[in-house]
Amino acid sequence: DQQVKQNSPSLSVQEGRISILNCDYTNSMFDYFLWYKKYPAEGPTFLISISSIKDKNEDGRFTVFLNKSAKHLSLHIVPSQPGDSAVYFCAASDNTNAGKSTFGDGTTLTVKP
Amino acid sequence: DGGITQSPKYLFRKEGQNVTLSCEQNLNHDAMYWYRQDPGQGLRLIYYSQIVNDFQKGDIAEGYSVSREKKESFPLTVTSAQKNPTAFYLCASRSGQSYEQYFGPGTRLTVT
Repeated sequence: DQQVKQNSPSLSVQEGRISILNCDYTNSMFDYFLWYKKYPAEGPTFLISISSIKDKNEDGRFTVFLNKSAKHLSLHIVPSQPGDSAVYFCAASDNTNAGKSTFGDGTTLTVKP
Repeated sequence: DGGITQSPKYLFRKEGQNVTLSCEQNLNHDAMYWYRQDPGQGLRLIYYSQIVNDFQKGDIAEGYSVSREKKESFPLTVTSAQKNPTAFYLCASRSGQSYEQYFGPGTRLTVT
């Protein structure tokens, strides 16, 4: 049973518009959530995170929203830029589990000029 | 420059051979992880280590082995018992102060 799900394998948006990437989780023990960005043939890089005690965290063009009751989080990128085109992974962790993260399958974002 | 290095970037082996993937970090991180990524899928945890001389199995440890003799190094051996070894392998490390993981550039292993 997949505990972290990214139901949209791909997303295409126009440059300058908003990109919204979604992630759902099933394990209520998760208390920390992260987004990573990955280019082909490279390792993922950390983008932004949120603790379960918050419902929003913002860093420049990137904002993560957490809805604990729905077990849902989303990453908003505004405005989207062609350089944002990459695979975005959602990950979830809990402090009882040795800092391990469970990853979703990723969403490929394409930003068209 | 601090970071994680993995070598080589591409590795080719014949079926039946064991192969060891290198992972080194100079971030002074205690925890290290090995993941496998297959096309269209997320990262699946193979093994992890929280301190030197200690490691635990992840979700897909069968056919793999690791060692953690030094804080900086966490090599992964893909044995001949691994049924589908062809994949992209990623090593990561983490400071004890946060959940964020730092990843290496990955090794693409092809077994024929």
